[in-house]
Amino acid sequence: GAVVSQHPSRVICKSGTSVKIECRSLDFQATTMFWYRQFPKQSLMLMATSNEGSKATYEQGVEKDKFLINHASLTLSTLTVTSAHPEDSSFYICSASPSGGAEFFGPGTRLTVL
Amino acid sequence: KNQVEQSPQSLIILEGKNCTLQCNYTVSPFSNLRWYKQDTGRGPVSLTIMTFSENTKSNGRYTATLDADTKQSSLHITASQLSDSASYICVVRSTGGFKTIFGAGTRLFVKA
Repeated sequence: GAVVSQHPSRVICKSGTSVKIECRSLDFQATTMFWYRQFPKQSLMLMATSNEGSKATYEQGVEKDKFLINHASLTLSTLTVTSAHPEDSSFYICSASPSGGAEFFGPGTRLTVL
Repeated sequence: KNQVEQSPQSLIILEGKNCTLQCNYTVSPFSNLRWYKQDTGRGPVSLTIMTFSENTKSNGRYTATLDADTKQSSLHITASQLSDSASYICVVRSTGGFKTIFGAGTRLFVKA
């Protein structure tokens, strides 16, 4: 089956620093990757949609300059949280979709900003 | 407005019992409906994917139903196990702009 990995699985950083999270599709090419954020006891909230080789499309209310997304290849997308603050602490999940509509989720990255 | 509503919000059952989770949606135009299982601190894992023409789909002890006329879906779990304790999320995809709408999930607790 399709496998999506994320790295790191858990990160703790100081306020004001930047954190990069990687999302990889291991056994398929992902034309589209999605980034979600999930707060405790809440459902996933879509942050942005990225297509390989083009700029990401951000959902309303998500700051594109704060959450930088790069989808440089068909198997890798990165999310960089710039100048992180404690309110950015959350569970970040990516998903990847080959052409055809299926969506496969990564295991998530727990970000804690001190 | 495209919405996905799940019920109950949470559920506690004894190991070995069956349970049914509900999902009502108003998403249009409809493309597909998916049920995911999400363990705490993990990414969602797909259980079933159903398109407009499918009424029932099974995956082991999980059986999903879809009534596209009433815009309702259910996920039935048979002979529950402790490992079934998780959040179950209903996700509906719209063909209009390829929008994906997530339900808030049902938190299932299976007790010994």
